[in-house]
Amino acid sequence: AQSVAQPEDQVNVAEGNPLTVKCTYSVSGNPYLFWYVQYPNRGLQFLLKYITGDNLVKGSYGFEAEFNKSQTSFHLKKPSALVSDSALYFCAVILPEGGYQKVTFGTGTKLQVIP
Amino acid sequence: GAGVSQSPSNKVTEKGKDVELRCDPISGHTALYWYRQSLGQGLEFLIYFQGNSAPDKSGLPSDRFSAERTGGSVSTLTIQRTQQEDSAVYLCASSLGQGPNSPLHFGNGTRLTVT
Repeated sequence: AQSVAQPEDQVNVAEGNPLTVKCTYSVSGNPYLFWYVQYPNRGLQFLLKYITGDNLVKGSYGFEAEFNKSQTSFHLKKPSALVSDSALYFCAVILPEGGYQKVTFGTGTKLQVIP
Repeated sequence: GAGVSQSPSNKVTEKGKDVELRCDPISGHTALYWYRQSLGQGLEFLIYFQGNSAPDKSGLPSDRFSAERTGGSVSTLTIQRTQQEDSAVYLCASSLGQGPNSPLHFGNGTRLTVT
């Protein structure tokens, strides 16, 4: 069975500081990994994905994530946080042979950027 | 439309009543998914439609839940004899294809409250 853990329910960071939202996964195989962001009363928006290749993936709004196979992690990062980055962030994993019906989402991390 | 459209955005219903939730996917997207987002939990897969194939209903939590997709486009999720534990945000998503190279596009969801 596959699983995703987002160990922090909430992350607070001052505007302008770097931010990290943590994600670890457990799968038997090579995973596809995703980050989505959810603003209040909105659906999830795709940020970035790792499928294969370069372990550092760059996505929308200046976000990036690093796939670390040995630590089974896929932490989301941004060098300088904006107040507008405040939202709920979800990490997700699927196996290549699975589709989105087999996707496992984490429980989400609320990011609060403090002005 | 430009994105995935869901209606209603909010629905309050009495326990025991039936409800219908509607999803209008992005034009041309062959894959359509329903997920449920409960407070403090990740997204839970409910059902998946792909083209004219038989839907994958493996995520439906009980036989009170059903869904259909007419003409390969609009989908309706029906919950019969609603229970309080059905209260959640129901999210619809569509994608151009089945695999992870086709990102999921989510609607804004329907917030269902069963009183």
